[in-house]
Amino acid sequence: EAGVAQSPRYKIIEKRQSVAFWCNPISGHATLYWYQQILGQGPKLLIQFQNNGVVDDSQLPKDRFSAERLKGVDSTLKIQPAKLEDSAVYLCASSLGQVSNQPQHFGDGTRLSIL
Amino acid sequence: AQTVTQSQPEMSVQEAETVTLSCTYDTSENNYYLFWYKQPPSRQMILVIRQEAYKQQNATENRFSVNFQKAAKSFSLKISDSQLGDTAMYFCAFRNNDMRFGAGTRLTVKP
Repeated sequence: EAGVAQSPRYKIIEKRQSVAFWCNPISGHATLYWYQQILGQGPKLLIQFQNNGVVDDSQLPKDRFSAERLKGVDSTLKIQPAKLEDSAVYLCASSLGQVSNQPQHFGDGTRLSIL
Repeated sequence: AQTVTQSQPEMSVQEAETVTLSCTYDTSENNYYLFWYKQPPSRQMILVIRQEAYKQQNATENRFSVNFQKAAKSFSLKISDSQLGDTAMYFCAFRNNDMRFGAGTRLTVKP
């Protein structure tokens, strides 16, 4: 079974620029998550999708972050404009459904550095 | 709000020995799930073990086992016969609706 695919693996941009990350979940997984992991901290949920609908985006900084999962499969997370504090690893995860006992499977993440 | 606390930023253990990583959490919920994830330098989060709060029996997966104390809201991870490949960050996580992670413990297994 192919795992969660993310690209790019690394991205370096200057502050105020825009950046986008892509995620392809495990086939058949209805639920998709985006996490932000700042160095030295655990992952923090940014947004959760169930198919193509948003379940939880309460911790997404909506003035600069946006995410979509138009066809209910792959997803894109965008930051526009980027700030220095956005430097982090952005992890995508997927699970079969929203039920709490279903494990989340993670991708390798994208490391974003803001200069 | 649920919070997860890992009080040990770093731990080390000799190869083949046993180590225990601590985790406590705070919640008013009665039904929830607890997880331990491993994150090696490759960055991918790998599920190590999970525990349902309604089960009294502690979960076990090969060399990994937990000590779940619901009343104390404690969920520690024991790694037996430590191997060099166990070197990684370990995150404790709590899930009721959304997933909350602790800050992690960096474990180093020494040869």
